[in-house]
Amino acid sequence: DSGVTQTPKHLITATGQRVTLRCSPRSGDLSVYWYQQSLDQGLQFLIQYYNGEERAKGNILERFSAQQFPDLHSELNLSSLELGDSALYFCASSAAGGQGMETQYFGPGTRLLVL
Amino acid sequence: AQSVTQLGSHVSVSEGALVLLRCNYSSSVPPYLFWYVQYPNKGLQLLLKYTSAATLVKGINGFEAEFKKSETSFHLTKPSAHMSDAAEYFCAVRNNAGNMLTFGGGTRLMVKP
Repeated sequence: DSGVTQTPKHLITATGQRVTLRCSPRSGDLSVYWYQQSLDQGLQFLIQYYNGEERAKGNILERFSAQQFPDLHSELNLSSLELGDSALYFCASSAAGGQGMETQYFGPGTRLLVL
Repeated sequence: AQSVTQLGSHVSVSEGALVLLRCNYSSSVPPYLFWYVQYPNKGLQLLLKYTSAATLVKGINGFEAEFKKSETSFHLTKPSAHMSDAAEYFCAVRNNAGNMLTFGGGTRLMVKP
């Protein structure tokens, strides 16, 4: 158990809908990262928040947004969902800004299915 | 730009045999390299990481990896496979200037009895 929690575990929704994925980092970790894992794209970095501020952005669609709250939990919002958004969404956390040898600890993921 | 290539999307070994999972990286600066394992329906778990302190890195569950700068490789090995090693393995790279991890495509390891 990494100490990173994600809810819900599974989510089934329809095209055009909006969903929110939630992540609680390990106790004391300041950075939260979101990754998307799909069969065709593999494991891709979406976005990082550090102590409430956006720190780095990857291949995140404009329909997706994230935020980190004062208690350091994070939410990933996915809107106008398309079939291709079906994937496993991971949250990871690290102690500080995430550079160098710092380890990222991954949660169990949220499996999103868009029908 | 940094990238990782994992040769072989599927590797099958017999129980007790040597495990060798290949990873080659591309990075313009000295990289930090990681191996993660993903068991079925689970998140990613760190196996080991290269931090430039030593070229041979020992990880959990008997795995180790050797950093070879001349070959830009960081292959993962285990002397004797167990059934419980069946999982998907990901190599990842991060350079010191960046925060994000760039992952390879993953290698699914199957262990035959």
